[in-house]
Amino acid sequence: QVQLVQSGAEVKEPGASVKVSCKASGNPPTPTTYGFSWVRQAPGQGLEWMGWISVYYGNTNYAQRVQGRVSITADTATNTAYMELRSLRSDDTAVYYCARGDYCSTTSCLFFQHWGQGTLVTVSS
Amino acid sequence: SYELTQPPSVSVSPGQTARITCSGDRLGKRYSCWYQQRPGQSPVLVIYQDDKRPSGIPERFSGSTSGNTATLTISGTQAMDEADYYCQAWDSSTMVFGGGTKLTVL
Repeated sequence: QVQLVQSGAEVKEPGASVKVSCKASGNPPTPTTYGFSWVRQAPGQGLEWMGWISVYYGNTNYAQRVQGRVSITADTATNTAYMELRSLRSDDTAVYYCARGDYCSTTSCLFFQHWGQGTLVTVSS
Repeated sequence: SYELTQPPSVSVSPGQTARITCSGDRLGKRYSCWYQQRPGQSPVLVIYQDDKRPSGIPERFSGSTSGNTATLTISGTQAMDEADYYCQAWDSSTMVFGGGTKLTVL
């Protein structure tokens, strides 16, 4: 059974940065084929993809809307993925989810079966 | 940029069949997934690679594609199926979600 546990809720002021972690435990994936995506959901809104990382190859790709402000990394030694978002704005207030896909190429994953519990990030002065 | 279009809402009576559509350019040439999200919970994968069901997902959930449209079908809909449903596909290393469909079971 795979479990993704995310770090706790954050409150940040506009202009600050936030870094959310996502630690995986349970059945390990095939090292060369897994990746993490980060998806956010603003209050009352739909799912918005932010970006993903192919862990083995180190490839990343980010959504245009957050390009330049977001970084996604992964630490294979601790089975943890991270998402850092900089220059926070009020419209970054959302629940942020990590998701792990175990069947990924260098460009995409077939699906994301494992999801974290979500981390609420509130941006407010 | 690539877009996936879903109806905002679908209503169904208990025991009936619910169909949720998702349309996008050449969607039939890409693999699509469907995620269920109940209020206050994380998304759950219910269909992948157009028509495959993960272990633990009830058989009443099925998926299909035709042309530019993917369809999630829930047969014998139950009250517990009331949730938001999102389709998802990839376009040039970019993951795209549909806007979501609220399924109401009434």
